[in-house]
Amino acid sequence: EDQVTQSPEALRLQEGESSSLNCSYTVSGLRGLFWYRQDPGKGPEFLFTLYSAGEEKEKERLKATLTKKESFLHITAPKPEDSATYLCAVLTGGGNKLTFGTGTQLKVEL
Amino acid sequence: KAGVTQTPRYLIKTRGQQVTLSCSPISGHRSVSWYQQTPGQGLQFLFEYFSETQRNKGNFPGRFSGRQFSNSRSEMNVSTLELGDSALYLCASSLGSRSTDTQYFGPGTRLTVL
Repeated sequence: EDQVTQSPEALRLQEGESSSLNCSYTVSGLRGLFWYRQDPGKGPEFLFTLYSAGEEKEKERLKATLTKKESFLHITAPKPEDSATYLCAVLTGGGNKLTFGTGTQLKVEL
Repeated sequence: KAGVTQTPRYLIKTRGQQVTLSCSPISGHRSVSWYQQTPGQGLQFLFEYFSETQRNKGNFPGRFSGRQFSNSRSEMNVSTLELGDSALYLCASSLGSRSTDTQYFGPGTRLTVL
């Protein structure tokens, strides 16, 4: 069975303090790894898709990387508005089923 | 372009009742997937519809069902509600022609079962 584990569960940063979130996975046949951001009471918002080991994607203060066993979401010089729960999900097998990790709850303080 | 819309946004039901949730995908998207989100289990896949056919199904009991219409709009139904069905129900749409297409989520329907 596909498994996705995210760490840490919660992370508190000072504004400007860079850090990384981890998503490790055990799957049979990874077809894509997705990062989403979710604010309280809202649906997940798409951030990145990574398809193969070595791939990197960047958007503003966020950078996602992928290896054969895990993905990292690097946050550079975060701001309070980056506070949210970050979810990673893997696409395996057939069809459109995403298997999600339980998320990392990030809080950035002034 | 308008995003994924879900109605209603909030619902309160009692045990034993049934409920129908609606999802309108992004224009041009033909695949709709449904997920259940709870604090204990996180986001779990319910099912996916593409061109009015169920293409994939998660591990949920038969009380959970869905359908898709010719305009790609989708509904999901939960019969004989249980307390444990209280959750945020999320719908996601994608182009659907390739299964690796990005899924875009709606705001969700918050279901409370009393």
